[in-house]
Amino acid sequence: AQTVTQSQPEMSVQEAETVTLSCTYDTSENNYYLFWYKQPPSRQMILVIRQEAYKQQNATENRFSVNFQKAAKSFSLKISDSQLGDTAMYFCAFMLLNSGYALNFGKGTSLLVTP
Amino acid sequence: GAGVSQTPSNKVTEKGKYVELRCDPISGHTALYWYRQSLGQGPEFLIYFQGTGAADDSGLPNDRFFAVRPEGSVSTLKIQRTERGDSAVYLCASSHHRTGELFFGEGSRLTVL
Repeated sequence: AQTVTQSQPEMSVQEAETVTLSCTYDTSENNYYLFWYKQPPSRQMILVIRQEAYKQQNATENRFSVNFQKAAKSFSLKISDSQLGDTAMYFCAFMLLNSGYALNFGKGTSLLVTP
Repeated sequence: GAGVSQTPSNKVTEKGKYVELRCDPISGHTALYWYRQSLGQGPEFLIYFQGTGAADDSGLPNDRFFAVRPEGSVSTLKIQRTERGDSAVYLCASSHHRTGELFFGEGSRLTVL
């Protein structure tokens, strides 16, 4: 079974600063995707960024980027120029390809952006 | 609608009662998922549909939980003889099979008294 670990239950960052959220995972498979999802108080999970395991280049989406270290099974999220609207729960998730595309989620990191 | 729609948004019931939660996926999405999210936890996979059939129901906790998707679109999650431990937010997601990107609804919060 695949496991996803987020070791930071809570984090705080000042507006305009940069913050990095950690995620490690455990799998013996080679073909998978990794995701970061954001869940604001509205409860709706929103995709932040996705990384295909076969790609060496780290994914970026505007202020969001990842540091994907496949050998170390590490997948951290960096948020640059943090904004108040970034306050939310952030979940790291793993998807094994060709197995139904079910997501395995970590327990989440609560991020608070302060003025 | 443009997104995944879930009803009811909130449901309060008594222990032992039967509950149905509905999910209306994004039009054209063939894959549909149910997840359960307990307080302070990440979502846990329950069941996955590809079309009308349940392709993977390994996450259903016991036989009190059942889900259907009779026409390959709307899905209903059914919980019999509810228990207090069933209290959680039940999330539905849909995807186009090829992309693998899941789009989530806002969830149904179930409270069993």
